[in-house]
Amino acid sequence: DAKTTQPNSMESNEEEPVHLPCNHSTISGTDYIHWYRQLPSQGPEYVIHGLTSNVNNRMASLAIAEDRKSSTLILHRATLRDAAVYYCILNTQADSNYQLIWGAGTKLIIKP
Amino acid sequence: EAQVTQNPRYLITVTGKKLTVTCSQNMNHEYMSWYRQDPGLGLRQIYYSMNVEVTDKGDVPEGYKVSRKEKRNFPLILESPSPNQTSLYFCASSPRQWDSNQPQHFGDGTRLSIL
Repeated sequence: DAKTTQPNSMESNEEEPVHLPCNHSTISGTDYIHWYRQLPSQGPEYVIHGLTSNVNNRMASLAIAEDRKSSTLILHRATLRDAAVYYCILNTQADSNYQLIWGAGTKLIIKP
Repeated sequence: EAQVTQNPRYLITVTGKKLTVTCSQNMNHEYMSWYRQDPGLGLRQIYYSMNVEVTDKGDVPEGYKVSRKEKRNFPLILESPSPNQTSLYFCASSPRQWDSNQPQHFGDGTRLSIL
């Protein structure tokens, strides 16, 4: 199975940038890299995704290594509302099903 | 507002008493899926549906049933619940199953406790 590896937790100060790393050394050529986050008592929320090129949206930026074996989610200016568990996931094909393979995620703690 | 709605949000019940968790989406999505989330294990897929009347097993389907009679609804059925099905359950939907470029939209979860 395609797998991702993330640190269990990270801390950052409010209003500073946050770089959340993810390793996915077994990624295949057609696997998209997705990031979701889960705030306390809520369902996962889509953040961003990409295949090969770096991506930006209103929530974050995604930097993908040239060999695609790692990626970094960048929150440019973290706020207290960004405190959540962040999941780096490969959207991979298994038989006829495109499946998100979830790991344990990184718990991001934002200090005021 | 585009959303995935699950009911109930919380349920405590006893072993063997049939229960159904409903899931409804208002985005006309073709693909719907059920996950369970347990501490330290992330989300694991239970069942998925590519469209009306098309369902298939995910990674952990034992003890669960689903149906997809309408596009918007995808109920999860526990015919004879057992304590090992105590978990947090999420329903999700996305526009098309075969497009791995599509993000999934999740409900707020249903916390089930089976005594």
